[in-house]
Formats: sequence, structure tokens, C-alpha cells
Amino acid sequence: DQQVKQNSPSLSVQEGRISILNCDYTNSMFDYFLWYKKYPAEGPTFLISISSIKDKNEDGRFTVFLNKSAKHLSLHIVPSQPGDSAVYFCAGTEYGNKLVFGAGTILRVKS
Amino acid sequence: DTGVSQDPRHKITKRGQNVTFRCDPISEHNRLYWYRQTLGQGPEFLTYFQNEAQLEKSRLLSDRFSAERPKGSFSTLEIQRTEQGDSAMYLCASSLSSGRAGANVLTFGAGSRLTVL
Repeated sequence: DQQVKQNSPSLSVQEGRISILNCDYTNSMFDYFLWYKKYPAEGPTFLISISSIKDKNEDGRFTVFLNKSAKHLSLHIVPSQPGDSAVYFCAGTEYGNKLVFGAGTILRVKS
Repeated sequence: DTGVSQDPRHKITKRGQNVTFRCDPISEHNRLYWYRQTLGQGPEFLTYFQNEAQLEKSRLLSDRFSAERPKGSFSTLEIQRTEQGDSAMYLCASSLSSGRAGANVLTFGAGSRLTVL
């Protein structure tokens, strides 16, 4: 069962524009959601998280929005930079336990 | 702190051989996780430890797989009688978790890539 889905395998954006990465989940018991970024030959690195009791969390150029009724979240990157080119994973967690990841979205930021 | 270290970074083996991966977590972290990642997929949970206790194992983890964390510090993941389907990146992660609700941010190592011929 795929509890976390990232339906867009890839996204291409011009430098300076907004990148929007989407994520859907099915497990209503998730109480936190996290986004990770992964460069080739490196492990995933934590980017930003959001609690299920909030609908927005912002950290610099990165903002995560949560629509709990739709079981949907999105990561906005503004402005996008070439160094943001990476694979982005969405993950959900239930009561501080393991992370359940989506399949990832490859983001390419063109200069 | 050097982060999460994994060894070896790359292992090529023949089908039927046993392989062992080692993970050294961040020293103050009490939890250690093993994930597996194949091409085009996200990390899939295999198992995790809190201190030396193995608290959860995925159904993905067949009896050919065994993980240990003998003194609550480093961990090993052994795969016996490897199959070509075991070819993947094996990721280790650690976290400091109280077990209560929270973001439980995992810090990942760079992974150990297994190729089974």
C-alpha cells in the first residue's frame, strides 16, 4: 500500500521562478510531514517539516502547505535556484515513528 | 560530529554470497534506521532500533536479512544468500527521539550500494 504518493516524477523550472512539488497521502494517522532533498551519491537531507495541526510552515525560500481535508501537501520554493536541482521526497510519520516516503520528484532548475 | 557513516560505500557480490553493511550513527542519537532504495523509488523502511532494542521490522525484511545494534551504538545489516533482487542502495539513518509525537527528523548516511551479479 502506497501511503505517500508523489505523482509527478519530474519538474523543470526556470531559475528565479517558483517550484511547486506536490504530495498526497492516504494514512490519516500521520501527524507530521517532512520534505527531504537528495543529491546524487548523497543521502537524503532534511529540508522542512509541518505538523498536521498547521496548514503552513515557512523557512526562508521554502514553504510547505498542508491541506488535511484533501490529504495533500505541497512544497514551494521561491525563487528557485540551480542549486535546488535534486530529487525531493515527501514523507509522513505517525507519532514520532518511522518515516514513510513517496517515490520522489526530480526538480531541474534551468539557468 | 561527522554525521552518519556507512561502510562500504559500494559492494559487488555474486549471487548466493553473504554481505554485511555497517552504520555508525550520530553519537548522541538513540534511534537507528535501515532503509532500502531502488531506482526511481523512495527509501523503503526495513527496520529500526531504539538503543539496542530492535523495535520494528518491515514485512519486506525476509529471513535472509538480519540487523543488529549490539551496544546501542553502531549497527550491522547482513544479507545472507544474496539474490539479484537485493541490488539496491541501503541507507542508514539516525535520530534523537523521545518516542512522543514530533517531527522525528532522520539524518541519513550516504548509503551502501549493493550490486548482486
